[in-house]
Amino acid sequence: GAVVSQHPSRVICKSGTSVKIECRSLDFQATTMFWYRQFPKQSLMLMATSNEGSKATYEQGVEKDKFLINHASLTLSTLTVTSAHPEDSSFYICSATPGGTGRAPDTQYFGPGTRLTVL
Amino acid sequence: EDQVTQSPEALRLQEGESSSLNCSYTVSGLRGLFWYRQDPGKGPEFLFTLYSAGEEKEKERLKATLTKKESFLHITAPKPEDSATYLCAVQELPNDYKLSFGAGTTVTVRA
Repeated sequence: GAVVSQHPSRVICKSGTSVKIECRSLDFQATTMFWYRQFPKQSLMLMATSNEGSKATYEQGVEKDKFLINHASLTLSTLTVTSAHPEDSSFYICSATPGGTGRAPDTQYFGPGTRLTVL
Repeated sequence: EDQVTQSPEALRLQEGESSSLNCSYTVSGLRGLFWYRQDPGKGPEFLFTLYSAGEEKEKERLKATLTKKESFLHITAPKPEDSATYLCAVQELPNDYKLSFGAGTTVTVRA
């Protein structure tokens, strides 16, 4: 149980284009989803927190107009990198938390990640 | 000020050589401390959650313990497949389940 998927697993795009990454919780409903980015040999850096039906909360220094997050349902969140540039190249990982009063409500389960390369 | 500090940064072990990883944390109120395993190019895999000092949890060759200031991840008789980066993270009270991660310990187990 507690499986989270991400699509695509890797994407290469040209500078100036937009890229959408999907994150789905496959066997549970996620009240809260998180988006992280990870640079080589570094730990995870939280970008934003999203709750279903609400606007995402962005961490300090993260441009909300560049990284658009939509949490349309309890099983799906999307991250759109708008007008991508080479410095946006990174490993993007989502996670999902069951929340509520169920078993392990506070545990974040992570997706497999998306490798974004902007040329 | 870093909330979570992991040591050592890297650990090279011989197969069967037991060892421990350390995670020191500084928070005003701990909701939970989490251990994850991350393989190269993949997302973190959940291992354990610890909530209170004195708590211990085990899974195969791994055992996690918690005190008021730190957590240890003990690897007993490791195998090459235990090679990975082990991440420690804390959740503070009150929050919306946000995690603050340490930098991780990269473990390499040689056959």
